[in-house]
Amino acid sequence: RKEVEQDPGPFNVPEGATVAFNCTYSNSASQSFFWYRQDCRKEPKLLMSVYSSGNEDGRFTAQLNRASQYISLLIRDSKLSDSATYLCVVNSYSWGKLQFGAGTQVVVTP
Amino acid sequence: DTAVSQTPKYLVTQMGNDKSIKCEQNLGHDTMYWYKQDSKKFLKIMFSYNNKELIINETVPNRFSPKSPDKAHLNLHINSLELGDSAVYFCASSFRGKRMNTGELFFGEGSRLTVL
Repeated sequence: RKEVEQDPGPFNVPEGATVAFNCTYSNSASQSFFWYRQDCRKEPKLLMSVYSSGNEDGRFTAQLNRASQYISLLIRDSKLSDSATYLCVVNSYSWGKLQFGAGTQVVVTP
Repeated sequence: DTAVSQTPKYLVTQMGNDKSIKCEQNLGHDTMYWYKQDSKKFLKIMFSYNNKELIINETVPNRFSPKSPDKAHLNLHINSLELGDSAVYFCASSFRGKRMNTGELFFGEGSRLTVL
């Protein structure tokens, strides 16, 4: 079983709609969680950290469910520029050894 | 100003050759990494250096040898290239100490290696 699993998608989303997707992790001792965004043929960039109480950054909301070992990302009022692959990242072991999921592709259509 | 820069961006070479990728960061970070992203898009860590000391060394063939001359530079040398080495190699940097650590990795633009 992979340490971090994501639905690869693609999630095809009309502009203005809401999309949400999850990521599951296998190590219950995981301590830190992040969402990164990767555009086609570009480097990953941090989108947001995920806190235990859940957190919001503009149109993006991240949630953590430790009991079921998943994190989620919700994008409201989708923009064309939100089209990207969203990588779930978990710090399970020693700091620096972040485990990346394979990503969920989101395609926002006009 | 480029924060994490790596060269070359593209590399096409024959099997059996030796090649190097260089990385430099001007963010003042104390830790640097090499990640490999294969065709399935998984980003897997290969190596990490903290203040020039190797701290992460994953199960990577010993044909891959990292070198960190100082904390702002991390290079990757690959000997006897194989078809399976074709991938995008990303350099990244961060702070490791808890006080300054936000958990954010800053990635370079990647070096796309194609082995023919």
